[in-house]
Amino acid sequence: DGGITQSPKYLFRKEGQNVTLSCEQNLNHDAMYWYRQDPGQGLRLIYYSQIVNDFQKGDIAEGYSVSREKKESFPLTVTSAQKNPTAFYLCASGSGGSSNEQYFGPGTRLTVT
Amino acid sequence: AQKVTQAQTEISVVEKEDVTLDCVYETRDTTYYLFWYKQPPSGELVFLIRRNSFDEQNEISGRYSWNFQKSTSSFNFTITASQVVDSAVYFCALRGIQGAQKLVFGQGTRLTINP
Repeated sequence: DGGITQSPKYLFRKEGQNVTLSCEQNLNHDAMYWYRQDPGQGLRLIYYSQIVNDFQKGDIAEGYSVSREKKESFPLTVTSAQKNPTAFYLCASGSGGSSNEQYFGPGTRLTVT
Repeated sequence: AQKVTQAQTEISVVEKEDVTLDCVYETRDTTYYLFWYKQPPSGELVFLIRRNSFDEQNEISGRYSWNFQKSTSSFNFTITASQVVDSAVYFCALRGIQGAQKLVFGQGTRLTINP
């Protein structure tokens, strides 16, 4: 089946630890995105990548890092520098270009204590 | 700056009622795209519709319909004869053609359909 997978669904970490969230897509999309969703709020863009080996900061990139070594994969690392890491993280992909819709993965709920 | 406002935080109706979710947007782009997404309890966002700024025709898809009015910068979403399965959070989003290729989301409207 074509789609976007994110793993794991739930993730628990201790404060001060880095954690990497996985995102894989088999839709052959060029562009991939990471969003953060907090309770009762809309989605905010963390990072995006329009092509392999290239990525740009979104609105809330501080405390996060990404890589795009393969077209299918766009992992997100939540570093210890992120002050409020507990949130729901959604990965998306799209064909690129402003007209094209983005398709979303099932999300990873990260809890840091 | 681009902005999307969904003034209705929560809506609760009884099954089979019609319900309209409001979306108002702000942008300086002359070309832009508007989207609606559904987020069921599972969390994944499901794409519902895309509309470009040059196409003001209303669209109907089954029980769903969308009303795009450029004059009032609104892109409202109506569900006719609502069903319990329609219960979800609905997001309106905007994407311009300038600058970063990102979706700007509204805060979302939580829709509850009661049996």
